[in-house]
Order: sequence, then C-alpha cells, then structure tokens
Amino acid sequence: GAGVSQSPSNKVTEKGKDVELRCDPISGHTALYWYRQSLGQGLEFLIYFQGNSAPDKSGLPSDRFSAERTGGSVSTLTIQRTQQEDSAVYLCASSEQIAYEQYFGPGTRLTVT
Amino acid sequence: QQQVKQSPQSLIVQKGGISIINCAYENTAFDYFPWYQQFPGKGPALLIAIRPDVSEKKEGRFTISFNKSAKQFSLHIMDSQPGDSATYFCAAHSGTYKYIFGTGTRLKVLA
Repeated sequence: GAGVSQSPSNKVTEKGKDVELRCDPISGHTALYWYRQSLGQGLEFLIYFQGNSAPDKSGLPSDRFSAERTGGSVSTLTIQRTQQEDSAVYLCASSEQIAYEQYFGPGTRLTVT
Repeated sequence: QQQVKQSPQSLIVQKGGISIINCAYENTAFDYFPWYQQFPGKGPALLIAIRPDVSEKKEGRFTISFNKSAKQFSLHIMDSQPGDSATYFCAAHSGTYKYIFGTGTRLKVLA
C-alpha cells in the first residue's frame, strides 16, 4: 500500500521567505509526527498530532514554526521568515492510534540561502 | 532523563563481520525500543523492535539484545553485507506518544 508521502522533496529558499512543507500520512493513521534532521544529526521532535486532540507543539524551536493538520489527514509545516539554521531535512511520520510503529516519509530537504 | 545515548558514532566492518551498535537510556518508563535504518536520501525505516519483557529478539541477520537492569540495548548485525551500509538509529518510547531517538550510527561495510 501507499506509504507516507512528502512534498516537495527538495526546497531551496532565500533567507526571510516563508515555506510550506506537506505530509500525506498513511490512510487510517491517526497519529502524525514532524521531525527535523540536521546534517549528520539525530531526529529532533517538532510536533505531534493525534486525532482531534490538541497537538503537542513542545518541540517547535521558535514561533516562526507552525503546523496544521486538516481533516485528520494531510499536514502542513510552515516556517516563516526562514533562517539559514532552518536548513535541514524535515521528516514526517505516521502511526496507528494505539500502535507503536512509526512509518516515515522520504523527507523534504530544505536549504535556506 | 529523556536522552538515549547511542554509540559508536561511526563504524566500519568487513563483509561477513558482526556490527554492534549500543544504546543506553535512563527513563525506566520506556517500554518499546525500536531500531531504524536510514539510507541516504530516504526516511528512516523500522528494522526491528523489542519490548522490555524479553532479553533478545532476532529477525534474520538482525538481533536486539536487551539488558533491563543495565538499561541498555544493542543491535547486532550478523554476516554484515555492503548493502547494510546505512545510518542506524535506536529509539525509546514510553506510554506517551513521544519517541526519543539516539544520535545515529553511520555503518560502512567494506566489500
């Protein structure tokens, strides 16, 4: 079946511009996570959505970062006024509500010039 | 207390050898310990996982050894192959939804 998809796969933007990253989770998965992976680093938790519950935004590094999940499915991560330190791979993952296994998308590589 | 410490940072193994990656944790509330494999340009993929009620789990050439008293777990890759060259992440999960990831180990298997 279809896995987690993310778009775009690559995004190059100028410092100060806003960007939107999209994630389509696996159908039926109610939990959705966003992570950030800097070059050669581990996975940094950003935000978590579960069904209709309020999202856990505790990992967002600044108020320039926000995320939405519409209709319990597609999610968009928005970064406003991008900075060079925002350059990283942004990964999305989804899981079934009560299952532990996470399934990751291929990521969006963001480069801020 | 929420950290998962992973070592080594990088590892080079000869083809046919055994690759061993170690992780240690502090939070005894963790109850699920997965390992992920990530190839360049791809997202991490679940490789194998263990719960703390068993000390070992084996799937093909991949084995997780779990030491609850020491709060350590490790991934063993037997008969390592060049195709196993990737970055490996351990993780820990508690009764909440959050996963805590190790910093990753870059494995290179020489042909």
